[in-house]
Amino acid sequence: DVKVTQSSRYLVKRTGEKVFLECVQDMDHENMFWYRQDPGLGLRLIYFSYDVKMKEKGDIPEGYSVSREKKERFSLILESASTNQTSMYLCASSLGTSSNNEQFFGPGTRLTVL
Amino acid sequence: AQTVTQSQPEMSVQEAETVTLSCTYDTSESDYYLFWYKQPPSRQMILVIRQEAYKQQNATENRFSVNFQKAAKSFSLKISDSQLGDAAMYFCAYRNWRQGGSEKLVFGKGMKLTVNP
Repeated sequence: DVKVTQSSRYLVKRTGEKVFLECVQDMDHENMFWYRQDPGLGLRLIYFSYDVKMKEKGDIPEGYSVSREKKERFSLILESASTNQTSMYLCASSLGTSSNNEQFFGPGTRLTVL
Repeated sequence: AQTVTQSQPEMSVQEAETVTLSCTYDTSESDYYLFWYKQPPSRQMILVIRQEAYKQQNATENRFSVNFQKAAKSFSLKISDSQLGDAAMYFCAYRNWRQGGSEKLVFGKGMKLTVNP
């Protein structure tokens, strides 16, 4: 089974702190994604990566950056956390650019910025 | 840009009964994929069912089936013999099909399903 893990289930940070959210997948997937999930807004794509060191902006990249130095790991970085970044963050991965690839999701990180 | 609309934010169903979750989408593409994802209270999102737009036959997975109406851009999910474990947030999602293209999914806002014993 594909396994996508995220470094923390719950995280509390202060405004202005630099925050790292880590995601690891164990199935050699090409693509990795970061979403944020807010009530009433569904899932919104922040960034995605289709290869090591490659990244593309999603729908809401402002205030975030990403890093993919190794194929299995995709990090989301909040350079200076703000209270409006309090949210649930979901990481996902998929096999590659092909037909109907399913995205597999991690358990999520609930981030609170005080 | 493609959009996905789930107009019902919440629904409830009695255990063992059938419930239908609605989803509409907007796209100018002719080839694409549609998905229903389930997110139980434990928060891990899992795929329930997928439909390729070029297939006329509606997808089914055990108690889950879809009613795909391409002309109407409608993609509803039917859950038969509802079980307590079906209680979750359900998200409808869309993806373009384009060889070598982006794997981006567009999600609806989700719908919370409650199953009453």
